[in-house]
Amino acid sequence: SQQGEEDPQALSIQEGENATMNCSYKTSINNLQWYRQNSGRGLVHLILIRSNEREKHSGRLRVTLDTSKKSSSLLITASRAADTASYFCATDGSGNTPLVFGKGTRLSVIA
Amino acid sequence: GAVVSQHPSWVICKSGTSVKIECRSLDFQATTMFWYRQFPKQSLMLMATSNEGSKATYEQGVEKDKFLINHASLTLSTLTVTSAHPEDSSFYICSARVGGAGGYTFGSGTRLTVV
Repeated sequence: SQQGEEDPQALSIQEGENATMNCSYKTSINNLQWYRQNSGRGLVHLILIRSNEREKHSGRLRVTLDTSKKSSSLLITASRAADTASYFCATDGSGNTPLVFGKGTRLSVIA
Repeated sequence: GAVVSQHPSWVICKSGTSVKIECRSLDFQATTMFWYRQFPKQSLMLMATSNEGSKATYEQGVEKDKFLINHASLTLSTLTVTSAHPEDSSFYICSARVGGAGGYTFGSGTRLTVV
């Protein structure tokens, strides 16, 4: 089952600008993760944030999590053309449960 | 790190034929494998969960007789698309949970095209 929504569905920005993508989910979670997928390729794990964390940074990535609103955001700063890809949030619960993916945001960074 | 090897990476088959996709855990034992399907410009949707030595559990709307899952060992799970039709053309990807703390590993995916 699909966990939640991501917005925007598509985002087009100029190189150097920041890109913000949002994700909402429906049930309680243990962790929320963000993945990147280049067209027709596999998934690349970007960052994981635990349910008791509010913000996390990794290089040009900044992730926030608001469990009261069941939402997360991914900020990519100083975007590059190579950041062009689809970005998905995914949540997991306790035990040996699968990741549940959001609908994703297609990011286009124009050089 | 834990690696899942998925083969083939792409396959083209004729309508009515069957295609088998394999996912092998290379350096760990995967008691459970999750199978996802992704249509173009859409997200990954969980199809089924395979468990070593027992029957797979399928998500609502996924035909178990069409998508046969076998998890006969702790290192191999297979998905067979039987009597494939063009509407089965999709990207199929497997995943296993690794350790605790939210770790998951994914196969590289299989692009299936049914003509």
